[in-house]
Amino acid sequence: DVKVTQSSRYLVKRTGEKVFLECVQDMDHENMFWYRQDPGLGLRLIYFSYDVKMKEKGDIPEGYSVSREKKERFSLILESASTNQTSMYLCASTHFLGPGQGKNEQFFGPGTRLTVL
Amino acid sequence: AQSVAQPEDQVNVAEGNPLTVKCTYSVSGNPYLFWYVQYPNRGLQFLLKYITGDNLVKGSYGFEAEFNKSQTSFHLKKPSALVSDSALYFCAVSLSGSARQLTFGSGTQLTVLP
Repeated sequence: DVKVTQSSRYLVKRTGEKVFLECVQDMDHENMFWYRQDPGLGLRLIYFSYDVKMKEKGDIPEGYSVSREKKERFSLILESASTNQTSMYLCASTHFLGPGQGKNEQFFGPGTRLTVL
Repeated sequence: AQSVAQPEDQVNVAEGNPLTVKCTYSVSGNPYLFWYVQYPNRGLQFLLKYITGDNLVKGSYGFEAEFNKSQTSFHLKKPSALVSDSALYFCAVSLSGSARQLTFGSGTQLTVLP
C-alpha cells in the first residue's frame, strides 16, 4: 500500500514562529503536493514539486516556501506564522506519467491541523 | 482555467435510500474527473475516476459516477446508502499534460441517517 506520512497530526504555534511541516512518501513518486483545506473552500494548492529540488507555485503560495532535498520528502515552511495560516494541511503524492499525467489519482497523508495563536 | 462546482454543501439521506452528490466542471479540453472521500480527522481517499470510455464509472465501496459531457457533470451515486458512508466528498478535475493536476470542489458533507 502507498503510504504518505506527515510529521504531526496536530500542531500549535505562536504568531511569528517558523514552522516546518514534513511529508514522506514510500512509493518512489516523483510528484508531491502541499494543500491547505478550509471549510467551504475545499483544497487549495500551495506548492508542488515534480522532482528533487524542483518546485512550482500553486494557487496560494504567499507566506509559504517548500523544500525537496530527497525524492521521498517534501517540506512545507511557514517563515513567520500568522493567524490566517491556521488550517488543515494535506500532503499528497503521485507517480509521474509524462504527457499523460493528470490521469493518476493522488495519495494523501492524514493531514496536519495547525493552529497559530 | 479549470474549475469544479459542488452546489450542495450538505446532503442528508436515509439509510437504504439511493444517494447522489452533485458535481459540475469547467475545463477547456478533455477532463479527467475524480471523486475523493474524507472521513473525520483523516486525509482524502480516492474513490473513482473517469479518464475515457464508458461514461459510467464504478469505484470503491459500491459508489459509481456518471460522466455527462453535454451537461459537464460528474455526479456521484450509490444505490443504497449506509450510515458508514457519512463523510465529506470532494470532486476534482485535471487536464491531460497538466503538471498541477487537480483542482478540487468545495466539498459536500454527506450524512446518512439511520
